[in-house]
Amino acid sequence: AQRVTQPEKLLSVFKGAPVELKCNYSYSGSPELFWYVQYSRQRLQLLLRHISRESIKGFTADLNKGETSFHLKKPFAQEEDSAMYYCALSGRGSARQLTFGSGTQLTVLP
Amino acid sequence: EPEVTQTPSHQVTQMGQEVILRCVPISNHLYFYWYRQILGQKVEFLVSFYNNEISEKSEIFDDQFSVERPDGSNFTLKIRSTKLEDSAMYFCASSGQGVTYEQYFGPGTRLTVT
Repeated sequence: AQRVTQPEKLLSVFKGAPVELKCNYSYSGSPELFWYVQYSRQRLQLLLRHISRESIKGFTADLNKGETSFHLKKPFAQEEDSAMYYCALSGRGSARQLTFGSGTQLTVLP
Repeated sequence: EPEVTQTPSHQVTQMGQEVILRCVPISNHLYFYWYRQILGQKVEFLVSFYNNEISEKSEIFDDQFSVERPDGSNFTLKIRSTKLEDSAMYFCASSGQGVTYEQYFGPGTRLTVT
């Protein structure tokens, strides 16, 4: 069975501080990991995926297979980063359905 | 930029009634999905649809649920006899094929069963 765990429901940091949103997963095989973001009153949108190894809006995430983690990091948080962040996993099946974590509400304080 | 659209944004229905939630996926996408999120809980996969048939479905997607792509543009989720516990936000998503399989989500339909 595949599972995604985000241990923090709420996370508050001050503007300019580093932020790390934790994500751990359980999957027997090679998963594909994603971070989705949902800003207030907007739809879920893809932030980044591990296979791209890219930085979006200053965020990065590295897949650590040994620790089965895919933590999201940003060195200097901005107020506009305040949103709900979901870690998600896709198996290698043809349908590629996503298994989501429960989400972390990030608040960046001025 | 093309977007997934969903109608209605909010649906209120009485227990036992049938509801149809509608989605218009992005036009050149091939995979279609329904997810739901009960208030305070995580987003859960319901069903995926490809090549005019269900490709995967979760345990939640029982005989009360069905999906259809009636006209090549709409993608619908029908709940035959709603229960109180069906109250949730329902999200439609679509994706392309190959490396462009990013799932694009609609804004959701909030279903309230009374």
